[in-house]
Amino acid sequence: DSGVTQTPKHLITATGQRVTLRCSPRSGDLSVYWYQQSLDQGLQFLIQYYNGEERAKGNILERFSAQQFPDLHSELNLSSLELGDSALYFCASSVVPDKETQYFGPGTRLLVL
Amino acid sequence: AQTVTQSQPEMSVQEAETVTLSCTYDTSESDYYLFWYKQPPSRQMILVIRQEAYKQQNATENRFSVNFQKAAKSFSLKISDSQLGDAAMYFCAYKGRETSGSRLTFGEGTQLTVNP
Repeated sequence: DSGVTQTPKHLITATGQRVTLRCSPRSGDLSVYWYQQSLDQGLQFLIQYYNGEERAKGNILERFSAQQFPDLHSELNLSSLELGDSALYFCASSVVPDKETQYFGPGTRLLVL
Repeated sequence: AQTVTQSQPEMSVQEAETVTLSCTYDTSESDYYLFWYKQPPSRQMILVIRQEAYKQQNATENRFSVNFQKAAKSFSLKISDSQLGDAAMYFCAYKGRETSGSRLTFGEGTQLTVNP
């Protein structure tokens, strides 16, 4: 158990819908990262937050957005869902951005039908 | 942009034997970290081992060790005394300290099978 929690574990929804994925970092970690793992794209970095502020953006679609709240939990919002958004979404956390190790949560498996 | 390549999509090893998984990377940065993560069937991403580029000594964690060749940009993982629980997908990952920020860049993964 890495100490990073993600909810829900599984999510099944329809095209065009909107979902919210939630992540709680390890106690004491200030930085949160979101990654997407899909069959065709592999593991890709989406976005990073540090202490409530957006720090870096990767291959995140405009339909996707995220935020980190004052209690340091983070949410990833996916809207206008398409079939291709079906993937495993991971949250990871680290103490500060430059600290080398990111610890991953168990992931949220999203299936868009 | 940094890239990570794992040229072995699948590997297999007999229980108690040794196996080496390969990883190469491309970067123009001089200061960075390299990682191996394990993803068992549960899909959880588990850190196996970490290497700082400025350290010449290869990292070791129990039965897991790396062969880090900075000039060749190579970072292989050796698993000794393989156990059935080592069966998983293994991902090599890069994290730069300079231009690439704190993101992890992953390779495509190597699926390791351990035969009893």
